[in-house]
Amino acid sequence: TQLLEQSPQFLSIQEGENLTVYCNSSSVFSSLQWYRQEPGEGPVLLVTVVTGGEVKKLKRLTFQFGDARKDSSLHITAAQPGDTGLYLCAGSPEGTYKYIFGTGTRLKVLA
Amino acid sequence: NAGVTQTPKFQVLKTGQSMTLQCAQDMNHEYMSWYRQDPGMGLRLIHYSVGAGITDQGEVPNGYNVSRSTTEDFPLRLLSAAPSQTSVYFCASSYSSWGRTEAFFGQGTRLTVV
Repeated sequence: TQLLEQSPQFLSIQEGENLTVYCNSSSVFSSLQWYRQEPGEGPVLLVTVVTGGEVKKLKRLTFQFGDARKDSSLHITAAQPGDTGLYLCAGSPEGTYKYIFGTGTRLKVLA
Repeated sequence: NAGVTQTPKFQVLKTGQSMTLQCAQDMNHEYMSWYRQDPGMGLRLIHYSVGAGITDQGEVPNGYNVSRSTTEDFPLRLLSAAPSQTSVYFCASSYSSWGRTEAFFGQGTRLTVV
């Protein structure tokens, strides 16, 4: 059972388009992290959201944590080819020490 | 700073062979974990440790053993390799502070079982 489900699984868009990636769970998380992974490398942290309803912006990337702390979203405005990669959400369900990752969203931005 | 060091980077095993993937970190993190990543997928937790002498199972522990005798080292042992264990393996070291967690990863080990 995958506790963190991401959608969509794959996304191919043109440069300049906007997109949203979703990360959903039936469990409550004390915080959620978003990572980006390039081919042949380990994931690299982009942001952490901690408070229910929190919104964080990182240049063209906007991250939101659901009010109930069970879901999160990543919105990219005016995507660029450099945004291409695998996006992963991650966190520890409350009451556990397991640090788990979502199923992943592979984004390809075409020039 | 070395961060998380994983060895080897590549390995080919025959079905039934055993081997140990090494992982060491120099950041003094209590939490370490092993993940496997199949093509185009997210990372699945195999085993984790919250400190020396303490380990626990993750989402996909079958066929793997771990031990944590020191804070720095967290080796992963494949007991009897099977083709289904062909994957990329990542070791991670992480810290949590005020509800914020950040995981740091090794370069990964690409394992093929034939």
